[in-house]
Amino acid sequence: GESVGLHLPTLSVQEGDNSIINCAYSNSASDYFIWYKQESGKGPQFIIDIRSNMDKRQGQRVTVLLNKTVKHLSLQIAATQPGDSAVYFCAENSPMTTDSWGKLQFGAGTQVVVTP
Amino acid sequence: DAGVIQSPRHEVTEMGQEVTLRCKPISGHDYLFWYRQTMMRGLELLIYFNNNVPIDDSGMPEDRFSAKMPNASFSTLKIQPSEPRDSAVYFCASSQRRLSGNTIYFGEGSWLTVV
Repeated sequence: GESVGLHLPTLSVQEGDNSIINCAYSNSASDYFIWYKQESGKGPQFIIDIRSNMDKRQGQRVTVLLNKTVKHLSLQIAATQPGDSAVYFCAENSPMTTDSWGKLQFGAGTQVVVTP
Repeated sequence: DAGVIQSPRHEVTEMGQEVTLRCKPISGHDYLFWYRQTMMRGLELLIYFNNNVPIDDSGMPEDRFSAKMPNASFSTLKIQPSEPRDSAVYFCASSQRRLSGNTIYFGEGSWLTVV
């Protein structure tokens, strides 16, 4: 039979433009969130993190925004470059007081394609 | 600093054969994770260890899969016997428990093909 794979959302961005990648998380008790970047043939690579007591955190060319009210996380990439082409995953972590603290719950990912 | 080191990077094996994947976590990290990634199911947690002790193996598909961590610097994931549906990329990852959060660092993966 025909196999069906995950249909990753795709974001096409022109080089130099800003990118916004969105993620909805599931557990309202999660208190720590991470964005990972996975290039073809490589493992997920840490980009930036944010704790639940913050709304915004900035890194080099990247900004993460957290809206706990609607359980929404976003990653903004400024001046997108060809090297930013990858799959981006958000991940959430349960509080340290819970048994599941060690586990990260990953989203399905978003494919970012940067066009010249 | 060396990251998480996995071996082999690529393996092609015949159905029914035993497969052993190896991992060296980042020195000083007390958590070790085994993930599997496929097009069908995305990134799945198979098992994780804390201080060499398995904490949660609920993601291990079936008895054909087993994982060990004999010491803080080495872990194995074994599949016996292997089946074509086990074909996937297997990632090992490690982290250090910190109050600020649990940042997991991944290896480059072991690409397994079972024919």
